[in-house]
Amino acid sequence: EVQLVESGGGLVQPGGSLRLSCTASGFTFSSYWMTWVRQAPGKGLEWVANMEQDGSEKYYVDSVKGRFTISRDNAKDSLYLQMNSLRAEDTAVYYCVCGANYYPYWGQGTLVTVSS
Amino acid sequence: VMTQSPATLSVSPGERATLSCRASQTVSSNLAWYQQKPGQAPRLLIFGASTRATGIPAKFSGSGSGTEFTLTISSLQSEDFAVYYCQQYNTWPRTFGQGTKLEIK
Repeated sequence: EVQLVESGGGLVQPGGSLRLSCTASGFTFSSYWMTWVRQAPGKGLEWVANMEQDGSEKYYVDSVKGRFTISRDNAKDSLYLQMNSLRAEDTAVYYCVCGANYYPYWGQGTLVTVSS
Repeated sequence: VMTQSPATLSVSPGERATLSCRASQTVSSNLAWYQQKPGQAPRLLIFGASTRATGIPAKFSGSGSGTEFTLTISSLQSEDFAVYYCQQYNTWPRTFGQGTKLEIK
């Protein structure tokens, strides 16, 4: 059974940093693109970033470019999202998702709240 | 930009619902549909515009290509009332529509 478990969310002040983690199991992590998708409270889904299996290709939505960095450790079956210079509009549930194109497997999400 | 219509759709149980998704530029058939219920992660329904994902019943069907897409849900049951999103994967970054809330009439 595929499982994706996010962690690292919490309350952070504007301008602060946070690192999200996602631990994968039930599939060969190193063989798949991985993606982060977020959802602000009461709002729709927003694709954030993803990366290729070996990290050679990475893509970001414009609103996070230069502030967020996606990375992975295939030896640990883990995906990360380093979030710097956080803004109120980054407040959302962040989902770890398996795949490059469409997404059959999602984690339960971790809530990031940016507020003073 | 992916635009879904209507924002809210009210349909009676047992009836059929038709949801629309329009792309601002062609996405070929690189389109997926998701269902999301309150407090849950989204569930993939359709990919490739018309291919049902594993375990998705035949009551869900997708159609379209290029810029115009439709998700049809037949014989609506209580568990089908949720928010539905389309998503293109033809270009980077991937983008979602703003969602259609399917509610009980």
